[in-house]
Amino acid sequence: QKEVEQNSGPLSVPEGAIASLNCTYSDRVSQSFFWYRQYSGKSPELIMSIYSNGDKEDGRFTAQLNKASQYVSLLIRDSQPSDSATYLCAVRTGGGNKLTFGTGTQLKVEL
Amino acid sequence: DGGITQSPKYLFRKEGQNVTLSCEQNLNHDAMYWYRQDPGQGLRLIYYSQIVNDFQKGDIAEGYSVSREKKESFPLTVTSAQKNPTAFYLCASRADRGTDTQYFGPGTRLTVL
Repeated sequence: QKEVEQNSGPLSVPEGAIASLNCTYSDRVSQSFFWYRQYSGKSPELIMSIYSNGDKEDGRFTAQLNKASQYVSLLIRDSQPSDSATYLCAVRTGGGNKLTFGTGTQLKVEL
Repeated sequence: DGGITQSPKYLFRKEGQNVTLSCEQNLNHDAMYWYRQDPGQGLRLIYYSQIVNDFQKGDIAEGYSVSREKKESFPLTVTSAQKNPTAFYLCASRADRGTDTQYFGPGTRLTVL
């Protein structure tokens, strides 16, 4: 079983819709969770971090964490074509401040 | 202009050659990391360093070596022992105090000819 799992997609949504990206993790003691956006050929850039159960909002982005169910999600409201990218979920696992990454979900926002 | 720089952006290597990828940061971050990314895959940790003159192996350290002689610099050497070195290499850093957020450099794309 992979430590961090994401659906590889592609997830296609029309412009203006809500995109919902999901991530599950296996380590119950994980405490820190991150969403990165990666455009093709570029390096990942941090979108959101979340540490507590519930929702965290930043502009059009909302991260949701449910530790009991071991999942974290990212909602993108009013999706724009510029949101088309691969979204990586990362989880801090174990010691040493290491992050474990999922394989990413490719999002396509269509006009 | 603070940030993380990696050089070169593209690197071509012949089989059997060692190559060194540069990573420099002026963010005064204590911890630095090297990842490898293959097409359609997530990032895999090669090596990391939390303090100068100390580093630990990640999940796929075989065929790689690193040094951390200065806080600002964390070069990665890809040796001839690495069987499939063609990949996108990403360096990241993290401030030590009260955060585990990592920030990435622009990456180096290595191709073995």
